[in-house]
This record gives sequence, C-alpha cells and structure tokens, in this order.
Amino acid sequence: EAQVTQNPRYLITVTGKKLTVTCSQNMNHEYMSWYRQDPGLGLRQIYYSMNVEVTDKGDVPEGYKVSRKEKRNFPLILESPSPNQTSLYFCASSPGLAGLYEQYFGPGTRLTVT
Amino acid sequence: SQQGEEDPQALSIQEGENATMNCSYKTSINNLQWYRQNSGRGLVHLILIRSNEREKHSGRLRVTLDTSKKSSSLLITASRAADTASYFCATDANDYKLSFGAGTTVTVRA
Repeated sequence: EAQVTQNPRYLITVTGKKLTVTCSQNMNHEYMSWYRQDPGLGLRQIYYSMNVEVTDKGDVPEGYKVSRKEKRNFPLILESPSPNQTSLYFCASSPGLAGLYEQYFGPGTRLTVT
Repeated sequence: SQQGEEDPQALSIQEGENATMNCSYKTSINNLQWYRQNSGRGLVHLILIRSNEREKHSGRLRVTLDTSKKSSSLLITASRAADTASYFCATDANDYKLSFGAGTTVTVRA
C-alpha cells in the first residue's frame, strides 16, 4: 500500500532533550516536506527536500534540522526542543515539486514539550 | 507565510445540503489545491486546479478559480456525515512550496 509513515505518533518530552521524528515513504517520491499545524494557523512548512542531499528551509525552520540521505526517508530533528515546538507535525511527499503535484501526507506526530 | 485564507472559519449544515467555502490569496499562482483533514489526521488531497482553468469537478466536489479576484471556491453537494472535516486551500508560493490557509471546519448534522 502506498503510504507515508511517521514515528512516533505521540511523544511527550522535556525541554532540551534531543529527539528525532522519522518519516518514510514507499512511493519513490522525489519531494518530501515537513509541516507543523497549530490551532488557527493552518499548516506551516518547516523544511522541504527536492531530492537526496537537497534540502531547503520553509517558513518556520528555526529550531529544526533535517537530512535526506536516502530517497525514502526524511527525518525531522529537534536538537533542543522548547515548549513553543509543541505542535502536530506532518510529513508529506509528492512525485515532484509541491506546487505541481498532490501531496501525500503521513498520519501526524503529536509532540508535547514540557 | 500564509498565502491563502479560507472563509468562513466554520460552517454547519444539514445532511443533504450543499456546503460552499472560499479561499482568497494574495499573489499570483500557478496552481491551487484543496485538501480535507478529518479530526487531527493527515490531510487528503481533493483537487488541483491550474491557473488557466476556471472550474473542475470531482464526484460531489466542484472547485472554481477566479484569478482576477485571486479567489477560489469549493462546493460540496448533497453533503453527508462523512464530509465533516476541515478543508484547506493551498497555493504555490513558488514551485517548491505550498502555503496553506487556516482552514474551514465543516460540520454536517444528521
């Protein structure tokens, strides 16, 4: 089944404790991205990747890192999480550039930083 | 940056009625997309409409695009309980990025 998977689905952590949220897609998509969703603000893009080893900042990249070493995986790294990073995070992928193709979204990761 | 804004923020309708929501955006676009999100779950793509298209249909969904007014509308006809969800428009700020609005929450009452 074609899908985007994220792990973990729920995470409660403390300020400053490094964490990684994994994202994997099995559709051989070139484009992958991370979004955060906060009430009243819709989805805001954190980072995106157009292919292996090619990443770029979205609208809200501060406090996050990403890497794209393999085509199927695009992990999101929070080196030192803070409470303002408490949010619902989504990974998405598409066959090509986001503006030209539909995005396939993962199920989401709900992160709480205390 | 949030390019698109949906209106209204929330909509409550009776099953069988039509639901219409609007999206306005600020800068020129190549394409506009609509997505649906069921309570806290991942978004699901509904329709992509290109800037040279004025209307597009998919099942009970009808999307219009007016580039002169920088606006789009999504019409859901003969609504069902399963249509209860949040609906988002997304515009391509450039080819690399999508900008989502804050969404319209639709509740379909039985």
